[in-house]
Amino acid sequence: AQSVTQPDIHITVSEGASLELRCNYSYGATPYLFWYVQSPGQGLQLLLKYFSGDTLVQGIKGFEAEFKRSQSSFNLRKPSVHWSDAAEYFCAVGFNTNAGKSTFGDGTTLTVKP
Amino acid sequence: DARVTQTPRHKVTEMGQEVTMRCQPILGHNTVFWYRQTMMQGLELLAYFRNRAPLDDSGMPKDRFSAEMPDATLATLKIQPSEPRDSAVYFCASGLVSGGLYNEQFFGPGTRLTVL
Repeated sequence: AQSVTQPDIHITVSEGASLELRCNYSYGATPYLFWYVQSPGQGLQLLLKYFSGDTLVQGIKGFEAEFKRSQSSFNLRKPSVHWSDAAEYFCAVGFNTNAGKSTFGDGTTLTVKP
Repeated sequence: DARVTQTPRHKVTEMGQEVTMRCQPILGHNTVFWYRQTMMQGLELLAYFRNRAPLDDSGMPKDRFSAEMPDATLATLKIQPSEPRDSAVYFCASGLVSGGLYNEQFFGPGTRLTVL
């Protein structure tokens, strides 16, 4: 069965520090990869996606992610975190066999210290 | 600015009552998803539709939950009778899957349901 793992339930970083959120998936086929962000009381918003091509993808709000096939990973990064980045982040994976359905990780909650 | 809309945004009801949640997907999207989010279980897929036909509703408790798409602009999720354990935030999302091309999901703001 397909699965998505976000190993870090909660991460705290200082404002201005760099950030990396981890995501690993398990499945043999080529995945479609997504990162979503959820602010309190809101729905999920797409940050970025990877379908094919360049394995380093840029997203909104200064985020980027790198697909590493050998490690089955799609880690999210930001060079300098802002207080407004405090939210919950979800990694999601889809496959052609899923008819459009994505499998979501359990999420990582980001706290930003002033 | 196309977006998924959900009504109501908040619902408080008593155990045993029927609850209906509505979703208007983005115009042109052919796939609609219903999710439930709780602290304990996280984000769970309840059901999803393609071109208004149910593709998978294995995530739903069949005895009390039902999901339908009366037309392309409306998806509904009903709970009858509701129970306190149904308290959660219910999200609708829509997306476009065409010609084998996969795409992202666009989420609505959610319906926060409290069953007393």
